[in-house]
Amino acid sequence: GESVGLHLPTLSVQEGDNSIINCAYSNSASDYFIWYKQESGKGPQFIIDIRSNMDKRQGQRVTVLLNKTVKHLSLQIAATQPGDSAVYFCAENRYNQGGKLIFGQGTELSVKP
Amino acid sequence: DTGVSQNPRHKITKRGQNVTFRCDPISEHNRLYWYRQTLGQGPEFLTYFQNEAQLEKSRLLSDRFSAERPKGSFSTLEIQRTEQGDSAMYLCASSLSPETVVFFGQGTRLTVV
Repeated sequence: GESVGLHLPTLSVQEGDNSIINCAYSNSASDYFIWYKQESGKGPQFIIDIRSNMDKRQGQRVTVLLNKTVKHLSLQIAATQPGDSAVYFCAENRYNQGGKLIFGQGTELSVKP
Repeated sequence: DTGVSQNPRHKITKRGQNVTFRCDPISEHNRLYWYRQTLGQGPEFLTYFQNEAQLEKSRLLSDRFSAERPKGSFSTLEIQRTEQGDSAMYLCASSLSPETVVFFGQGTRLTVV
């Protein structure tokens, strides 16, 4: 069935290094994705979004890449900091179904000092 | 704080009791969503409103669950005759339209004992 998934459940990086979190999706018609960061005991926090008319979008220290050919997107975090430690989710926004989000399981990012 | 607000943040209840959660969306957002999240999983869609109209309910939303948004502003989610399997984080989210970013509240953590 249709799904959004992440490649790795955990990722450990050294402080200052770059982090890359990957996400695959199965529905070729999917065209709007949102990345969220979730800290323990809190709700998901919006990081960045991307639509299918773009291959790349940049924010503050974050970059999202979208490869529609292989149905894959990634979140890159530059100069990872301890405050970046959290679970990261990619979500497909099904705007033709009212804007509901389909989430993967998440990748837990741990930043080592 | 003009974000999505949820109350209470935590609720412990005995099995069989009824509970009600409240969500106040971002003020200009006409779309309001409820999600449920269990440990180690991504949020799962439950239901959504456009203004006061409830437009979709997930199969996860059993007949013990009811959600309302009577005036198109705040929403309530009630669970009747709670079961231990209802223990989860209940997340509320809102958006301006189905094609825009969905913002989440901090969630209500329900523990059924």
